[in-house]
Amino acid sequence: QKEVEQDPGPLSVPEGAIVSLNCTYSNSAFQYFMWYRQYSRKGPELLMYTYSSGNKEDGRFTAQVDKSSKYISLFIRDSQPSDSATYLCAMSLAAGNKLTFGGGTRVLVKP
Amino acid sequence: GAVVSQHPSWVICKSGTSVKIECRSLDFQATTMFWYRQFPKQSLMLMATSNEGSKATYEQGVEKDKFLINHASLTLSTLTVTSAHPEDSSFYICSARGLDWGEQYFGPGTRLTVT
Repeated sequence: QKEVEQDPGPLSVPEGAIVSLNCTYSNSAFQYFMWYRQYSRKGPELLMYTYSSGNKEDGRFTAQVDKSSKYISLFIRDSQPSDSATYLCAMSLAAGNKLTFGGGTRVLVKP
Repeated sequence: GAVVSQHPSWVICKSGTSVKIECRSLDFQATTMFWYRQFPKQSLMLMATSNEGSKATYEQGVEKDKFLINHASLTLSTLTVTSAHPEDSSFYICSARGLDWGEQYFGPGTRLTVT
């Protein structure tokens, strides 16, 4: 079993819909949780960075962390075709430590 | 924002030769840099962690004599793939974090093709 599980998709949604992404993990010691967006043949771009449980909102993005369930989510509101990419969750034991990545979910937003 | 660059973006080399990839933090000082490789349609796999002025820490299964990492300054880390073979062909990505940061910012990646 992988340490961080993420549905590979693809997840196809119409433009304007809410994109819902999630990851589950097995190591309860993870404290820091991140979401990255990666376009094909590009490096990952940091979208959200959160510590411990709770919600965080930034523009169209909302990240949720439920440590009791070992489950994290990312919601993208008013999705655009430019949001079509692979979304990677990542987590670490401490700030600045090495990241453990999920496998990534491919998202396709259709105009 | 925090910007990380990599050079070259794409390199083709012959089997048996060595290739050096540079990773630079352009607008911040990076105490720690990380090197990853990514195969098509797969996630990132951490290869090693490097701290400025000290030896890199390699992940299990990564050959330290094959993948030489040098973090000579707070803005530059290099990865040298020695005696490259076709199975080393991959997408190599670095990331960096600042002095008091938890966040890691990634470079654009380097595509290595060994023929």
